[in-house]
Amino acid sequence: DSGVTQTPKHLITATGQRVTLRCSPRSGDLSVYWYQQSLDQGLQFLIQYYNGEERAKGNILERFSAQQFPDLHSELNLSSLELGDSALYFCASSVSLGEETQYFGPGTRLLVL
Amino acid sequence: GQQLNQSPQSMFIQEGEDVSMNCTSSSIFNTWLWYKQEPGEGPVLLIALYKAGELTSNGRLTAQFGITRKDSFLNISASIPSDVGIYFCAGQLSGAGSYQLTFGKGTKLSVIP
Repeated sequence: DSGVTQTPKHLITATGQRVTLRCSPRSGDLSVYWYQQSLDQGLQFLIQYYNGEERAKGNILERFSAQQFPDLHSELNLSSLELGDSALYFCASSVSLGEETQYFGPGTRLLVL
Repeated sequence: GQQLNQSPQSMFIQEGEDVSMNCTSSSIFNTWLWYKQEPGEGPVLLIALYKAGELTSNGRLTAQFGITRKDSFLNISASIPSDVGIYFCAGQLSGAGSYQLTFGKGTKLSVIP
């Protein structure tokens, strides 16, 4: 158990819908990262938040957004969903800016029908 | 963006055999990491390498950070059935305060008892 929690574990929705994925980092960790894992693209970095502020952006679509709240939990919002958005979404956390180890949560499996 | 080439894509080995997998990159990294992912779980960190030429062991696992900083390998000795999973290499390049990870596509390891 990494100490990072993600909810829900599974999500099934329809194209065009909007969903919110939630992540709670390990106790004391200030950084949260979101990654997408798909069969064809592998694990891709989406976005990083540090202590409530956006820190780095990767291959994140404009339809996707994230935020980190004062209690340091984070939410990833996916809107106007397409079939190709079906993937595993992982959250990871680290103590500070990220030079240290990133610990991954169990992931949310999203299926868009 | 940066690409990591990880090979082999998959391996079937007999229990007790040694395993070797590697990762190469077109760009340099400051840190190389090896993760293992089991079905339904997030990636778990196995070994982290911080210096070019560094050789680090974790039980039956040994990994090296290539001298050119563009490659890394992971060896598993005397494989056992619980070694089954997908092994990912990841490179981390710290710059402008961003420590995002770039992942290889993974090596799927199957161990035949």
